[in-house]
Amino acid sequence: NAGVTQTPKFQVLKTGQSMTLQCAQDMNHEYMSWYRQDPGMGLRLIHYSVGAGITDQGEVPNGYNVSRSTTEDFPLRLLSAAPSQTSVYFCASSYLEWGHRGRVRETQYFGPGTRLLVL
Amino acid sequence: QQQVKQSPQSLIVQKGGISIINCAYENTAFDYFPWYQQFPGKGPALLIAIRPDVSEKKEGRFTISFNKSAKQFSLHIMDSQPGDSATYFCAAMGSGSARQLTFGSGTQLTVLP
Repeated sequence: NAGVTQTPKFQVLKTGQSMTLQCAQDMNHEYMSWYRQDPGMGLRLIHYSVGAGITDQGEVPNGYNVSRSTTEDFPLRLLSAAPSQTSVYFCASSYLEWGHRGRVRETQYFGPGTRLLVL
Repeated sequence: QQQVKQSPQSLIVQKGGISIINCAYENTAFDYFPWYQQFPGKGPALLIAIRPDVSEKKEGRFTISFNKSAKQFSLHIMDSQPGDSATYFCAAMGSGSARQLTFGSGTQLTVLP
């Protein structure tokens, strides 16, 4: 399995440009999510999806769109790039294990990240 | 509002020493507390996780201590090694179908040889 793959690895945009960050997973995970990572702020959830055709907003959704037409793919679209969107973006998919007392383990598999610079 | 507060921001430990990273949370609906390890240029990877019905979980040199009444949990790395040098994130997740992770701000650990 390739796990979670992201493209591109690095991208430079000018303010106002749009682009799509690609994310794909081959583990048949239902849950996928997008995070941005900024220094001193950890990872913040942008959007997530609990299955094909279902998406919802996370903590910082403004300026981003997502869609989930298949289980495997979860692209993130920047509608009109702004310098504040300069960040490292991580896509993740997760696998939930249940025990007799409830949720035992939730393993989120992260992609290698996309480093985005908006000028 | 930061729901998961992590400290310290950076930590330097000698090889063989104990590394301790602390986190505190506010939302009592959180019921799953994982720790992630991230090496430079890589995505975070799940290290160890705990549910609030236990006070401690150990996996090899890594131990989570959990204090439900204080709403605090910590990661202890015993016999720290230079290969443990990485950024560590605590996180918390609530129950339900959303399964959203809220991350702490991260701790950059450096283990000196």
